[in-house]
Amino acid sequence: ETGVTQSPTHLIKTRGQQVTLRCSSQSGHNTVSWYQQALGQGPQFIFQYYREEENGRGNFPPRFSGLQFPNYSSELNVNALELDDSALYLCASSHPVGGRAETQYFGPGTRLLVL
Amino acid sequence: GENVEQHPSTLSVQEGDSAVIKCTYSDSASNYFPWYKQELGKGPQLIIDIRSNVGEKKDQRIAVTLNKTAKHFSLHITETQPEDSAVYFCAAQIQGAQKLVFGQGTRLTINP
Repeated sequence: ETGVTQSPTHLIKTRGQQVTLRCSSQSGHNTVSWYQQALGQGPQFIFQYYREEENGRGNFPPRFSGLQFPNYSSELNVNALELDDSALYLCASSHPVGGRAETQYFGPGTRLLVL
Repeated sequence: GENVEQHPSTLSVQEGDSAVIKCTYSDSASNYFPWYKQELGKGPQLIIDIRSNVGEKKDQRIAVTLNKTAKHFSLHITETQPEDSAVYFCAAQIQGAQKLVFGQGTRLTINP
């Protein structure tokens, strides 16, 4: 196990609603990245948070937003849910050193179903 | 931007045989290449990674090779066991960038 935890494990929402997903990073890690994994595909980068600031964003609309807290845990918020938002949402924690890419450790994910 | 292609999409091998999964990347600025194993209902688990200053890395039955000139890298699993059955993803990261770019995945089935 990586020590990265996510909640909830499963969630069902209806189109137009809003959802908040939570992630606790591995001890000692100050960076959290969020990914969306559609069924049968590889994870797609949503954004990354480093020391409570957004530190890079993928090709996702502004209705995907996030937060990172002083303890480095993080939230992913999605507004105005669409059917295509149905996916596994993964968070990964890491601790970059001197700009060098460091290993990202993934949590178990939150399975979101939008009806 | 970076693009990662992974082949094959499915792979079935007999227990004890070797399995090879191949990936190519597009951006020569990529310098970090992890491999993840994802079991049903779980998040991706890192199994091995390699940086661009190394050509090969081995950890017990798992090895990864990197050819920077050709921009491809491969995962080799020897003496396969039933518990190796899972979906495997390769990924690439550009130096200074935040995101991992993943391949499409390979579903590996080990037949007893």
